[in-house]
Amino acid sequence: EDKVVQSPLSLVVHEGDTVTLNCSYEVTNFRSLLWYKQEKKAPTFLFMLTSSGIEKKSGRLSSILDKKELFSILNITATQTGDSAIYLCAKTDSNYQLIWGAGTKLIIKP
Amino acid sequence: SAVISQKPSRDICQRGTSLTIQCQVDSQVTMMFWYRQQPGQSLTLIATANQGSEATYESGFVIDKFPISRPNLTFSTLTVSNMSPEDSSIYLCSVAASGANTGELFFGEGSRLTVL
Repeated sequence: EDKVVQSPLSLVVHEGDTVTLNCSYEVTNFRSLLWYKQEKKAPTFLFMLTSSGIEKKSGRLSSILDKKELFSILNITATQTGDSAIYLCAKTDSNYQLIWGAGTKLIIKP
Repeated sequence: SAVISQKPSRDICQRGTSLTIQCQVDSQVTMMFWYRQQPGQSLTLIATANQGSEATYESGFVIDKFPISRPNLTFSTLTVSNMSPEDSSIYLCSVAASGANTGELFFGEGSRLTVL
């Protein structure tokens, strides 16, 4: 069964810390890897990764894909309380179907 | 990007009743997707709504329970029929980013449904 596994499932850190969230996937029909942030109800798009080793960056957030080892990481530096959210990763296959991970619940304590 | 308006934002319903969720997009889109997110779980695709044809349902979801309408390219509804407490979830509609088949989705604000 095609699946996406995120770790850790939850994480509590203090403001200013750096966090690394992990997402591993199975290789079947891989097209791209997506990261989303879900604060209340609606997920918002963060990154799309298709090529290995090319870092995508947006402010304090960055992400990279390793297609050989079949994983991606999302880094958040100098965390703020506003970074508290569930971070979802999803894989798209050759039919552009999304397979979602269970998410990492990140809590930033002031 | 696409702006998606979804309503109701939340509702509390009685067991056995039905509720229709509406999703309005500010631009024409070919496919609209309906997701369910049960408490503490990730997103599960219910169905893909195509204009002018019947929705395509994922395994475990049936039209009798989740009828979908797609009367035009900017609007869709999802009905949750004969509700039970197990249907308590966030229901999200989404559309794909235009211009590229990347899998990137834009989401409505979601409808939080509680069934008593």
